[in-house]
Amino acid sequence: EPEVTQTPSHQVTQMGQEVILRCVPISNHLYFYWYRQILGQKVEFLVSFYNNEISEKSEIFDDQFSVERPDGSNFTLKIRSTKLEDSAMYFCASSEWRMTPNAEAFFGQGTRLTVV
Amino acid sequence: QKEVEQDPGPLSVPEGAIVSLNCTYSNSAFQYFMWYRQYSRKGPELLMYTYSSGNKEDGRFTAQVDKSSKYISLFIRDSQPSDSATYLCAMIQGGSEKLVFGKGTKLTVNP
Repeated sequence: EPEVTQTPSHQVTQMGQEVILRCVPISNHLYFYWYRQILGQKVEFLVSFYNNEISEKSEIFDDQFSVERPDGSNFTLKIRSTKLEDSAMYFCASSEWRMTPNAEAFFGQGTRLTVV
Repeated sequence: QKEVEQDPGPLSVPEGAIVSLNCTYSNSAFQYFMWYRQYSRKGPELLMYTYSSGNKEDGRFTAQVDKSSKYISLFIRDSQPSDSATYLCAMIQGGSEKLVFGKGTKLTVNP
């Protein structure tokens, strides 16, 4: 069964360092998303991406964050200068169609980012 | 008032029990309602999706939406130990790409 793959599974970085989280969405999917989940809190939307553009972003997704689809298969989230509060599980998701009205997004297993 | 509220539990039931999981929401613009299941150290997995008030059934799972009360439920019949997971409700406004999640309810089904 096709799945969304995220690497690495766990990343430890020093505060102020740049980090890139990588995702390989399902191959025929066109819509891509990043979510994060701080320990003990809700899963929160960060950004959606379609046709090489950001289609929607949350207030969390500030200038420290960027997304890119550098080739036909990868989708990346970059955090330029990590802060302690960026420590969270980051989930990549993809969908074949727009979230509404079809609404089936497939999530990866997550990358746990720890900022020290 | 939070946009989506969900009792985090934990909820522990014996095998075979009927489980009821619930969320309330405050944003009338939500049009689509989902339930996700999340096993430990895994990403959320879509279980049920509905966009109208009423019930939708899929095997042992029934999703119920009451838009007038801003209340959604997931019922699990004949619960199994393999149903032990965290269940997340999620909602989305028409035209948006943004899923808004509840905090999740951790369910344990004991053999």
